[in-house]
Amino acid sequence: DAEITQSPRHKITETGRQVTLACHQTWNHNNMFWYRQDLGHGLRLIHYSYGVQDTNKGEVSDGYSVSRSNTEDLPLTLESAASSQTSVYFCASSDRTDTQYFGPGTRLTVL
Amino acid sequence: SQQGEEDPQALSIQEGENATMNCSYKTSINNLQWYRQNSGRGLVHLILIRSNEREKHSGRLRVTLDTSKKSSSLLITASRAADTASYFCATRGSGAGSYQLTFGKGTKLSVIP
Repeated sequence: DAEITQSPRHKITETGRQVTLACHQTWNHNNMFWYRQDLGHGLRLIHYSYGVQDTNKGEVSDGYSVSRSNTEDLPLTLESAASSQTSVYFCASSDRTDTQYFGPGTRLTVL
Repeated sequence: SQQGEEDPQALSIQEGENATMNCSYKTSINNLQWYRQNSGRGLVHLILIRSNEREKHSGRLRVTLDTSKKSSSLLITASRAADTASYFCATRGSGAGSYQLTFGKGTKLSVIP
């Protein structure tokens, strides 16, 4: 069955370190998205991609970057982790039906 | 900024009762979707209603959309303990080629057995 996976599921890092969160989907979807979820804010869009070599900034993109070298993967990089980036991160993918399929999430703690 | 705002923020009901959640949004939309999130899990798509539709059903779910009031409601009939979760509305804007969704902050539903 097609699925979307995220790794690691839990990560603890220190302020200033570079961190990369992986997202891999086997739906063969062109569209992929990264969100962060914080209490009181719901889900907020960080970056998204509509295909290979395409990336776009979302609502809260500062301090994050993505690259899309193939259809299956959209890694999210925190260039220099900050305590404000402690959050739960979700990756999602969709096709033209608009339904988004979510991964299980990565809980990131920045100390 | 959040496009959708759910109301209420939290809802507690007895098993067998109906649960109604509301969502308001600010700008024109292509469609509005509802998602469920169980504790510690990712979101799961429930239902999508397009801007030219007024009502849609899926099993025990009923969704209405009023574009003149920029609002939607999700009704879960005959609720079960397994319906305990957070529910989010999400809107896709009306711009061509734009597939990103804007999510609300969610309604936390507790169904008491």
